[in-house]
Amino acid sequence: AQKVTQAQTEISVVEKEDVTLDCVYETRDTTYYLFWYKQPPSGELVFLIRRNSFDEQNEISGRYSWNFQKSTSSFNFTITASQVVDSAVYFCALRILSGGAQKLVFGQGTRLTINP
Amino acid sequence: NAGVTQTPKFRVLKTGQSMTLLCAQDMNHEYMYWYRQDPGMGLRLIHYSVGEGTTAKGEVPDGYNVSRLKKQNFLLGLESAAPSQTSVYFCASNSPRAIYEQYFGPGTRLTVT
Repeated sequence: AQKVTQAQTEISVVEKEDVTLDCVYETRDTTYYLFWYKQPPSGELVFLIRRNSFDEQNEISGRYSWNFQKSTSSFNFTITASQVVDSAVYFCALRILSGGAQKLVFGQGTRLTINP
Repeated sequence: NAGVTQTPKFRVLKTGQSMTLLCAQDMNHEYMYWYRQDPGMGLRLIHYSVGEGTTAKGEVPDGYNVSRLKKQNFLLGLESAAPSQTSVYFCASNSPRAIYEQYFGPGTRLTVT
């Protein structure tokens, strides 16, 4: 099965706290890509990061960091010193190759609320 | 570049009515996709196209039809709308030659009463 699971439906923290969003995936492919998207209250989907299956190095971008572990099939996302503007729904997605196209399989999303 | 645009942004339909959602991209992408987003379910693929004149079914194709007569446009049709089709619809596109993310449109919020 090709599947992405985001077990945390909603998370609520106080501003400046660190928060980690979990993502677990299943795939039979040996080469695959994982993505994180942010959906702010305005509704658009904002691309955050892409990671391929050959690169297990952690990525850091400002207050955002990603931990990719193939051994546990996880691609977790951490926000350090959270801010109110981080409030959004966050989606983890797995890109699969099927039917001649590159399809995205999305997790259910995690709604993150940062309280002032 | 406008990227991916969707028309309309909002629409309310009555059960049984029909409508067409238009997706346009100006990035010369071969691949285009239609997703629907429902609460607690993430985005699910409805139909996709790997090139002009070709379409294929995704995960939840029932009740929808699509057409890709021009490379830059991907149309999603509802022939007889049902309340279960109340959702937010997203169009996306990407090029097969580059390992990039899919570019998403702003979404269309459709309500069927």
